[in-house]
Amino acid sequence: KQEVTQIPAALSVPEGENLVLNCSFTDSAIYNLQWFRQDPGKGLTSLLLIQSSQREQTSGRLNASLDKSSGRSTLYIAASQPGDSATYLCAASGNTPLVFGKGTRLSVIA
Amino acid sequence: NAGVTQTPKFQVLKTGQSMTLQCAQDMNHEYMSWYRQDPGMGLRLIHYSVGAGITDQGEVPNGYNVSRSTTEDFPLRLLSAAPSQTSVYFCASSSIHRGRQETQYFGPGTRLLVL
Repeated sequence: KQEVTQIPAALSVPEGENLVLNCSFTDSAIYNLQWFRQDPGKGLTSLLLIQSSQREQTSGRLNASLDKSSGRSTLYIAASQPGDSATYLCAASGNTPLVFGKGTRLSVIA
Repeated sequence: NAGVTQTPKFQVLKTGQSMTLQCAQDMNHEYMSWYRQDPGMGLRLIHYSVGAGITDQGEVPNGYNVSRSTTEDFPLRLLSAAPSQTSVYFCASSSIHRGRQETQYFGPGTRLLVL
């Protein structure tokens, strides 16, 4: 059974700092790895999707990497801004429905 | 293109009442699903569907029913509401490629309070 873990559960950083959010999964037989953002009281918004054959994906200040052999993915946020404050969730897609981690709550302090 | 829509946004029920949460998508996605989100528990899958006429149970299906008569709609029915079903419910959809889910799109959620 796939299990997805995100550590830490919460993170607070000063504005402008580069940061890395971590996601680990137990079953390396994934099809893709997805990163989402959730603002308080809102639904989830897709940020990046990395196919199992890819090593990384980039969108603006966001870069997601995938290492299937070690069961890890990271989301790198460059030059963080207060508007980046949200909960970030990762999810692994394989032969079963998407399995989500519980998320990392990020606070970027101005 | 409205994406994934959910109604109502907020609902209060009394224990034992029934209701249907509506979900619709206009992206012609084969895959649709319902999650509940509770503090400390993360997102938990209730039911999902890989196409019209096909549904399956997720992690926490008890007390909920679904049907998929069209590609666009995937309603979730609470048969007899219980306080334990107080939660935020999210509907999501995605296309399917070679049997696997692509990018998942979420609705704005329905907040349900059962008294």
